[in-house]
Amino acid sequence: EPEVTQTPSHQVTQMGQEVILRCVPISNHLYFYWYRQILGQKVEFLVSFYNNEISEKSEIFDDQFSVERPDGSNFTLKIRSTKLEDSAMYFCASSEGRLNTEAFFGQGTRLTVV
Amino acid sequence: SQQGEEDPQALSIQEGENATMNCSYKTSINNLQWYRQNSGRGLVHLILIRSNEREKHSGRLRVTLDTSKKSSSLLITASRAADTASYFCATDAIASGSRLTFGEGTQLTVNP
Repeated sequence: EPEVTQTPSHQVTQMGQEVILRCVPISNHLYFYWYRQILGQKVEFLVSFYNNEISEKSEIFDDQFSVERPDGSNFTLKIRSTKLEDSAMYFCASSEGRLNTEAFFGQGTRLTVV
Repeated sequence: SQQGEEDPQALSIQEGENATMNCSYKTSINNLQWYRQNSGRGLVHLILIRSNEREKHSGRLRVTLDTSKKSSSLLITASRAADTASYFCATDAIASGSRLTFGEGTQLTVNP
């Protein structure tokens, strides 16, 4: 069964460093998303991406964050200068369409900022 | 209350019993999706129910949606120890574009 894959599964980084989280969405999907889950809290939407541009972003997704689809398969989330409060599980998701289609999530990348 | 709130927060049952989890939301939605998350792991999609549907089944799962009450329930029948996980509802609100809004989740423990 096709699945969303994310790498790495765990990343530890120093405060102020840049990190890039990588995702390979399901191959025939057109919509891509990033969510995060701070330990013990809800899953929160960060950004959605379609047709090589951001279609929607949340208040969390400030100038420190950027997304890119560098080739036909990868979808990346970059955090330019990490802060302690960026520590969270980051989930990538993809869906076939926008409306009334299931969003499938990857296993997540646990980011720890020290 | 916030969009997508589940209750109870925690539920502990014996294997073989049924588990019912509820979700309430505030705004008009396109659909509502249920997910399972094993501790520290990814989100597994369980079922999507559209706003014009009232009930949906998938294996041992039964989901209902009442748009007049802005609520949904997830029933797991004949539970197994392997069903132990957190269960989340997520709403695709009409006004919110493509984002899903997740609830706090229900932690289900199925005791063998």
